[in-house]
Amino acid sequence: NAGVTQTPKFQVLKTGQSMTLQCAQDMNHNSMYWYRQDPGMGLRLIYYSASEGTTDKGEVPNGYNVSRLNKREFSLRLESAAPSQTSVYFCASNQGPNGYTFGSGTRLTVV
Amino acid sequence: QKEVEQDPGPLSVPEGAIVSLNCTYSNSAFQYFMWYRQYSRKGPELLMYTYSSGNKEDGRFTAQVDKSSKYISLFIRDSQPSDSATYLCAMSGGTYKYIFGTGTRLKVLA
Repeated sequence: NAGVTQTPKFQVLKTGQSMTLQCAQDMNHNSMYWYRQDPGMGLRLIYYSASEGTTDKGEVPNGYNVSRLNKREFSLRLESAAPSQTSVYFCASNQGPNGYTFGSGTRLTVV
Repeated sequence: QKEVEQDPGPLSVPEGAIVSLNCTYSNSAFQYFMWYRQYSRKGPELLMYTYSSGNKEDGRFTAQVDKSSKYISLFIRDSQPSDSATYLCAMSGGTYKYIFGTGTRLKVLA
């Protein structure tokens, strides 16, 4: 009964370092999403994957790349981290135009 | 102007009060509306999901959509300290992408 699992839960990066945030869901959902959440800004969509094999940009895609590895897994990569990417990152999934199931988040600090 | 506007609060109420949380939006194409609850340092969890206009009730929670006014509400009856959280509205035009409000922080005082 895991739902959406994100790893890692916390990460500190130096400016310019790269890292990949991992997300996996076990609900057989077609669609997966990456959001970032910042104080006063709410949840903003970075990238999404409507189905396996497709990915599209959201509202704030600059500085990020994604890979839909298979139906279960959707990863988010920061190639050269910047302090402006300090945020809490949430992965979510859903099936059709229904509500999302969110993961527990990754707290990323870029120094 | 943001597509979805939500008062950030905080909103403080005594235990047992009726709470009203609201969002306004500008895009008349929105048809799917959701409310999420987010506890501190946790992921959002889906509370209520409604399609088009009307009311939906689930226990102590009632979601209301007024498309003519572009206004949605979440009512919490008999509020409890455990309801203290941030409440996020979200809406979509039927694509898979939901637009979120910034959230309203609610504190229910025992």
